[in-house]
Amino acid sequence: NAGVTQTPKFRVLKTGQSMTLLCAQDMNHEYMYWYRQDPGMGLRLIHYSVGEGTTAKGEVPDGYNVSRLKKQNFLLGLESAAPSQTSVYFCATHSLGPLSNQPQHFGDGTRLSIL
Amino acid sequence: GEDVEQSLFLSVREGDSSVINCTYTDSSSTYLYWYKQEPGAGLQLLTYIFSNMDMKQDQRLTVLLNKKDKHLSLRIADTQTGDSAIYFCAAGGAGANNLFFGTGTRLTVIP
Repeated sequence: NAGVTQTPKFRVLKTGQSMTLLCAQDMNHEYMYWYRQDPGMGLRLIHYSVGEGTTAKGEVPDGYNVSRLKKQNFLLGLESAAPSQTSVYFCATHSLGPLSNQPQHFGDGTRLSIL
Repeated sequence: GEDVEQSLFLSVREGDSSVINCTYTDSSSTYLYWYKQEPGAGLQLLTYIFSNMDMKQDQRLTVLLNKKDKHLSLRIADTQTGDSAIYFCAAGGAGANNLFFGTGTRLTVIP
């Protein structure tokens, strides 16, 4: 009963390095989201996907890329990490239904520090 | 985007009621949500209310919506130490990219 699994849980990068965060879900949900959470701020949407093979920009997409090649996986990439990208990253999912537009299931987060 | 505001901290004694308040700016917001975040974990959807409702009760949780004032509240009856967490209000309309979160209210329950 995994739900939404994010890997890695923690990572420290140097400025300019690249990395990929993986979100995997086993609930067959159509919608997947990447958010970032910063101190004193609510969650902000980076990118989202409404189905396999589709992605779209959210509120703060700059410096990030995403891919949804398989329905169960949503990848978030940082091509050239910057200190401003130090944050906690959350993946979220939901299926179609009465609350069809909003995230319901969250992963436990990836804590990323950029030095 | 929309602005969603919450107070940052709330402390209550165990057994008392907690009331967490939230205001939002977009009067067209259709969906209003409350999430709970425990340390080191992701957000958990607690409850929600649609804009055509005034109140929703779910066990110890009561959500009140004043649409005219764009004010949302979450009341937790008989607050327990396990209720200590950060509570996020979120407001939005249709569309996968149309949900905006408040800054979160850290609820501390004093035994």
